[in-house]
Amino acid sequence: EVQLVESGGGVVQPGRSLRLSCAASGFTFDDYAIHWVRQVPGKGLEWVSGISRNSGSIDYADSVKGRFTISRDNAKNSVYLQMNSLRAEDMALYYCARGIPGSLYYFDYWGQGTLVTVSS
Amino acid sequence: SYELTQPPSVSVSPGQTARITCSGDALPKKYAYWFQQKSGQAPVLVIYEDTDRPSGIPERFSGSSSGTVATLTISGAQVEDEADYYCYSTDSSGNRVFGGGTKLTVL
Repeated sequence: EVQLVESGGGVVQPGRSLRLSCAASGFTFDDYAIHWVRQVPGKGLEWVSGISRNSGSIDYADSVKGRFTISRDNAKNSVYLQMNSLRAEDMALYYCARGIPGSLYYFDYWGQGTLVTVSS
Repeated sequence: SYELTQPPSVSVSPGQTARITCSGDALPKKYAYWFQQKSGQAPVLVIYEDTDRPSGIPERFSGSSSGTVATLTISGAQVEDEADYYCYSTDSSGNRVFGGGTKLTVL
């Protein structure tokens, strides 16, 4: 069974940093890209970032470019999202999602999300 | 920036057919994916590559695409199909975009 488990969310002050983790199981991790998608509670979905299976291709939404960094450790079946200079508008539920094989643009399975609250 | 446009809400009675549309200029050349999100839960993929259904998704869910409009059809909608539905696609520049979501009510 494909499982993705996010962690690392919490309450952080504006301007501070937070690192999210996504632990995967139930599939051959290094065969798949992984994405982060966020959702403000009660609002729509926004793609944030994606990383290819070998970290050779990485992309970010314009809204987080220069502040967020995605990385992965295939030995640990994990993907990370380092979020710096956090803003109020970054407050959301952050999901990781498994990419479709051979594509850095589409995804299928999602985790349950981890909540990031940005507040002074 | 690229946009995908969905109706905010669709309402049907149980057993009727629900159709949710997604409009986007790049859809003639890019696939549409559809995700179902029930209240308090993570999104679930229900249609990929315009028309294909993942294993475990009921046959009443189907997808189509014509020109700049992709459509998710739920034939014989059931109460348990009540959810928010999001289309997703990309454009030629690689922008990854979700539609604004459609709240499906079945009652």
